[in-house]
Amino acid sequence: DTGVSQDPRHKITKRGQNVTFRCDPISEHNRLYWYRQTLGQGPEFLTYFQNEAQLEKSRLLSDRFSAERPKGSFSTLEIQRTEQGDSAMYLCASSSKGLGMETQYFGPGTRLLVL
Amino acid sequence: GDSVTQMEGPVTLSEEAFLTINCTYTATGYPSLFWYVQYPGEGLQLLLKATKADDKGSNKGFEATYRKETTSFHLEKGSVQVSDSAVYFCALSTNAGKSTFGDGTTLTVKP
Repeated sequence: DTGVSQDPRHKITKRGQNVTFRCDPISEHNRLYWYRQTLGQGPEFLTYFQNEAQLEKSRLLSDRFSAERPKGSFSTLEIQRTEQGDSAMYLCASSSKGLGMETQYFGPGTRLLVL
Repeated sequence: GDSVTQMEGPVTLSEEAFLTINCTYTATGYPSLFWYVQYPGEGLQLLLKATKADDKGSNKGFEATYRKETTSFHLEKGSVQVSDSAVYFCALSTNAGKSTFGDGTTLTVKP
């Protein structure tokens, strides 16, 4: 168990460019979550997957954002036509759905800066 | 919708002082409650959790009790150390699995 990993850890881009982030969950965790965290605030839910199915999307997730988890393992989060307001830390978490409430394990995050 | 309200920070304490960080919540279902900690330059780590009313979560000297009647989950530690300096987040999770977080409370412990 190597924990949740995210790549890249930092990304600087110019407004209007597309960016893609990757998350590798803890192996055999069937749930995967994306959150966004801005300075001075707690993480805000964006979307989550159970296996390869995207089960819920927040209204925060505009149509410029898309997330995939094609084989039920790693996930990607793409932001098209980035805006300065997209600058934030993007967090990934994974958990295992089972009896009772599962614990989410967070990755180190990808810090995005849009210039 | 679900929400979590945390005591505003920052909180500054001397080493060995008693710590309380207040957390209250509203939820449409019966949530599990969590405290996460974020040390400088690191990711979110689960500190403790409680899944039903009157449960007490504890870890590293920190404790919190799930109080359904007051919808609260206050974090306490009897004697803080400099190494406890971090940002603490209260969170809830419902059957849907996603978590709702408070805005965090920054704790600084001075020697």
